[in-house]
Amino acid sequence: SQQGEEDPQALSIQEGENATMNCSYKTSINNLQWYRQNSGRGLVHLILIRSNEREKHSGRLRVTLDTSKKSSSLLITASRAADTASYFCATDALRTDGLTFGKGTHLIIQP
Amino acid sequence: SQTIHQWPATLVQPVGSPLSLECTVEGTSNPNLYWYRQAAGRGLQLLFYSVGIGQISSEVPQNLSASRPQDRQFILSSKKLLLSDSGFYLCAWSVMAVTSYNEQFFGPGTRLTVL
Repeated sequence: SQQGEEDPQALSIQEGENATMNCSYKTSINNLQWYRQNSGRGLVHLILIRSNEREKHSGRLRVTLDTSKKSSSLLITASRAADTASYFCATDALRTDGLTFGKGTHLIIQP
Repeated sequence: SQTIHQWPATLVQPVGSPLSLECTVEGTSNPNLYWYRQAAGRGLQLLFYSVGIGQISSEVPQNLSASRPQDRQFILSSKKLLLSDSGFYLCAWSVMAVTSYNEQFFGPGTRLTVL
């Protein structure tokens, strides 16, 4: 079953604005990861945050993790048209098998 | 560098026909391998994962099966496809190490349409 729930389901903003997506999960995790998927393509790993970390940066991406609230956010600053894609959070529980993905946020950047 | 291949890229099959999707990984040894399915507009559902040759774990009971005949080869099969098997099938790999964080690397996917 899916654990992560992203919101919003869809987000449309103007180029140059910041985009924030949220993810909530239910069980204890080892880490939380964000992936990006362009239409009809495979997923690309963006960033991973471990359960003992609270914030992480990578280029224009900023991820936060609040394990007490079981939630995470992904911020994309200074958005570009090429950022248009679906973004998924995925949780890795305390085991070595697959990730549990949310349903994703479809982000549209309007030029 | 590591690469992951999936084929075919698209497939249209009639109900009741067999299925074989293949995934191969290059540039790494003894990876964890995964099959996910993504229904239209939905997130990914883990179907199978493998930590070694011949070792398959199933997450969801269904008419699909998986096999790992070689270290870097993962195959998804069905003897008789159902309409509900339509979807986007993604293969992924991750590093098998105590210190790894299960970051996964995905193939380009296979879009399966069952008619």
